[in-house]
Amino acid sequence: AQSVAQPEDQVNVAEGNPLTVKCTYSVSGNPYLFWYVQYPNRGLQFLLKYITGDNLVKGSYGFEAEFNKSQTSFHLKKPSALVSDSALYFCAVRALRSNDYKLSFGAGTTVTVRA
Amino acid sequence: EPEVTQTPSHQVTQMGQEVILRCVPISNHLYFYWYRQILGQKVEFLVSFYNNEISEKSEIFDDQFSVERPDGSNFTLKIRSTKLEDSAMYFCASSREGGELFFGEGSRLTVL
Repeated sequence: AQSVAQPEDQVNVAEGNPLTVKCTYSVSGNPYLFWYVQYPNRGLQFLLKYITGDNLVKGSYGFEAEFNKSQTSFHLKKPSALVSDSALYFCAVRALRSNDYKLSFGAGTTVTVRA
Repeated sequence: EPEVTQTPSHQVTQMGQEVILRCVPISNHLYFYWYRQILGQKVEFLVSFYNNEISEKSEIFDDQFSVERPDGSNFTLKIRSTKLEDSAMYFCASSREGGELFFGEGSRLTVL
């Protein structure tokens, strides 16, 4: 079984401040981890992924995420948030050796960046 | 940039009617998926499809649901007899082997 937990329903930050969206995962074996963003009335847009290698992964729009195996976490970060980063963020996981490539998504975290 | 396209963007139907949602995956992708999202909440897996057969399906994907790849480009989700609780946003996605999923913009289904 594979699952993801996003412990915060909402994250509120001021523009220019650092943004962190938390994610922990559970999977058999090594994980394949993803972050997606969803703007209102739109589809899910891929931000970044971790497979193997460097624990710090850089993605689109200045976002990065840090894989921490001991804490089974994959938190999304942005050093300086923009109002346009306000959206719904989803963490997702699958087992690296799974024969099925479906992703299991977390419940989502709504990010609001105030001007 | 290649993208997944879905039609219709919004469909309103009466309870008990059949609905077909259509998707055109990215052309060099071989793995296809349907997910649904109710009221902007959790994204729930429905079914994955590869090599003209279902790879995996969730408990949500009961006998009322079916998928088909009728030709080389379309991937469809059919709901035989819609229920009120089928009202949701349905997302199609595609991927290469083991790669990230690329999602369409979704089809909003409203069952009255």
